[in-house]
Amino acid sequence: AQTVTQSQPEMSVQEAETVTLSCTYDTSESNYYLFWYKQPPSRQMILVIRQEAYKQQNATENRFSVNFQKAAKSFSLKISDSQLGDTAMYFCAFMKQITASKLTFGTGTRLQVTL
Amino acid sequence: DTEVTQTPKHLVMGMTNKKSLKCEQHMGHRAMYWYKQKAKKPPELMFVYSYEKLSINESVPSRFSPECPNSSLLNLHLHALQPEDSALYLCASSQDVRASYEQYFGPGTRLTVT
Repeated sequence: AQTVTQSQPEMSVQEAETVTLSCTYDTSESNYYLFWYKQPPSRQMILVIRQEAYKQQNATENRFSVNFQKAAKSFSLKISDSQLGDTAMYFCAFMKQITASKLTFGTGTRLQVTL
Repeated sequence: DTEVTQTPKHLVMGMTNKKSLKCEQHMGHRAMYWYKQKAKKPPELMFVYSYEKLSINESVPSRFSPECPNSSLLNLHLHALQPEDSALYLCASSQDVRASYEQYFGPGTRLTVT
């Protein structure tokens, strides 16, 4: 079974600063996907960024980038130039690269962006 | 249109009631999902439908009964629920069940069982 661990229940960052959210996972699979999802207060969960395990290059999406260390089973999210709208719960998630698999979520990190 | 809609937004029901949650998407997606999310916890997968057929049932109690009448619509029928079933129920859809396809989530139905 796969497990996803987020060791930072809460984090705070000032506007315009950079913050890194940690995620580690455990799996015996060789092919899989990793995701960061954002769930703002009382709003829909949206995909922030995804990484395919067979790709060595770290994924980036505008201000969001990941540091994917496959051997260490680590998948951290870096948010640059933090904005107030980044305030949300962030979930790291894992999915096997097979047909009809399930998203396994970590426990989440609550990020507060302050002025 | 990248929207998944869910109705109702809030639902309060007694333990003897029968109610249904509805989820709709018009993105042409062929995979649809139900998740349960308790407060301050991550979503937990309940069911997956692929091409209108039940693909995954995560050992969910039979008091929850999913239905996929067509490729755009997903229902969750509720009967004889317990107070511990109170939670946010999220629907999601994706083009296909494969991991390479992004799941789009709805806003959820907040269910309270009294």
